[in-house]
Amino acid sequence: AQKVTQAQTEISVVEKEDVTLDCVYETRDTTYYLFWYKQPPSGELVFLIRRNSFDEQNEISGRYSWNFQKSTSSFNFTITASQVVDSAVHFCALTSSSGGSYIPTFGRGTSLIVHP
Amino acid sequence: GAGVSQSPSNKVTEKGKDVELRCDPISGHTALYWYRQSLGQGLEFLIYFQGNSAPDKSGLPSDRFSAERTGGSVSTLTIQRTQQEDSAVYLCASSPPGTRELFFGEGSRLTVL
Repeated sequence: AQKVTQAQTEISVVEKEDVTLDCVYETRDTTYYLFWYKQPPSGELVFLIRRNSFDEQNEISGRYSWNFQKSTSSFNFTITASQVVDSAVHFCALTSSSGGSYIPTFGRGTSLIVHP
Repeated sequence: GAGVSQSPSNKVTEKGKDVELRCDPISGHTALYWYRQSLGQGLEFLIYFQGNSAPDKSGLPSDRFSAERTGGSVSTLTIQRTQQEDSAVYLCASSPPGTRELFFGEGSRLTVL
C-alpha cells in the first residue's frame, strides 16, 4: 500500500519569506515516482515536478527547489522569496507500478497563504 | 483549448436522481483518471482507464458509481440514486504514454440537495 503524508495543513507567511512544504511517503516498491502539484484558488491542479526513485539529484527551478531523500522517505518543496501568487494548495503525490497500474496517491495537501 | 475538458462545471441535483459527468481528455493521452475532492479533503481515487485494458475500479465507493470510456477517449462517470455525501468536486485527469504526470480538468462540482 502507498501512503503520502503532508503533516502541514496550512502555512501562512509574509511575502518574501522562504517556505518549505513537507512530504513523507511510504511504499514497498523499489521503483516509484514522486510529484508536486499546485491547486490555486481557481481550482485546476497543475503539475509542478516529477522525481524518479532512482534519481536523488535535487533540483532548483527559479524560486522553487525540491529536496528528495530516500533515507528519510521525504520529498520536500521549498519556495524562496514567496509571492502572493504562490498562494495555493500544494499536493504531494506518489506513483508506483504496483500490479501494473500507475495510480497516484495524493497527500491531503498543504494550503499556503502568502500575505502581502 | 487543448486541455482536459469537463462538463458540466456545476451540477445541482436532488437526492435520489442520477447524474452523468463527462470528461474529454487531451488528444493522444492513453490514461484517464477520475478523482473526487471533498471540501477540505485530499484527492480520492475513483477509477483508472489505460488504453484498451480493463479499467481499475478499485476506488469506486459503491455500486452506485460507474464509469465508461468510449473509443479510448471521452469518459462518463455516472452516479445513480445520488446521496448528499456524494457532494464533491469530481476531477478528471489524463496522462500521455510513457510519463506519469497527470493533467487535470477544472472539475465538475456536484451538489446533492
